Amino acid sequence: AQTVTQSQPEMSVQEAETVTLSCTYDTSESDYYLFWYKQPPSRQMILVIRQEAYKQQNATENRFSVNFQKAAKSFSLKISDSQLGDAAMYFCANSPYNTDKLIFGTGTRLQVFP
Amino acid sequence: DTAVSQTPKYLVTQMGNDKSIKCEQNLGHDTMYWYKQDSKKFLKIMFSYNNKELIINETVPNRFSPKSPDKAHLNLHINSLELGDSAVYFCASSRGPHSNQPQHFGDGTRLSIL
Repeated sequence: AQTVTQSQPEMSVQEAETVTLSCTYDTSESDYYLFWYKQPPSRQMILVIRQEAYKQQNATENRFSVNFQKAAKSFSLKISDSQLGDAAMYFCANSPYNTDKLIFGTGTRLQVFP
Repeated sequence: DTAVSQTPKYLVTQMGNDKSIKCEQNLGHDTMYWYKQDSKKFLKIMFSYNNKELIINETVPNRFSPKSPDKAHLNLHINSLELGDSAVYFCASSRGPHSNQPQHFGDGTRLSIL
């Protein structure tokens, strides 16, 4: 069975500082995609960043970057220069290449303090 | 322009009733999904349809019946509502299997069973 584990139920960071959210996953698939989604209090699910498993280079989107360790099945999200608007639930997800369904972790609630 | 729209946003009803949630996407995507987010924020896929054909059915009770009149719409009908059906239901769409394009989510429908 494929699973995604987020071991940090809550994290906090001060504005302008850097924070890293952890994610590990278990899959028997050789091809898959990994995602981080953000869910603010407004309840929307917003894509933050995605990574193809066959790509060794870590994905980056402005202040958001990932540390993808395929052998360790680890996919952490780093948020640099944190902003108040980054406060939200963050979900890590795995999507096997042949099924297209998203398998989510349990989420990490990020608080940002001024 | 809302890409994936769900109606209603909130639905309060009594146990035993039948209700429907509608979903429409204007992205030209071929695949649509329903996810359920429980009170602990855990998101799990329920169904996916590709070009009106059922692709994924994740052991959801028979009381839940998705209907896709065309590839831009995927509605969710729920019969004989139970207390445990209280959750936020998210519709999503994507270009389809084997695509590295992410799923786009609607804003969710909060279903509360009295």
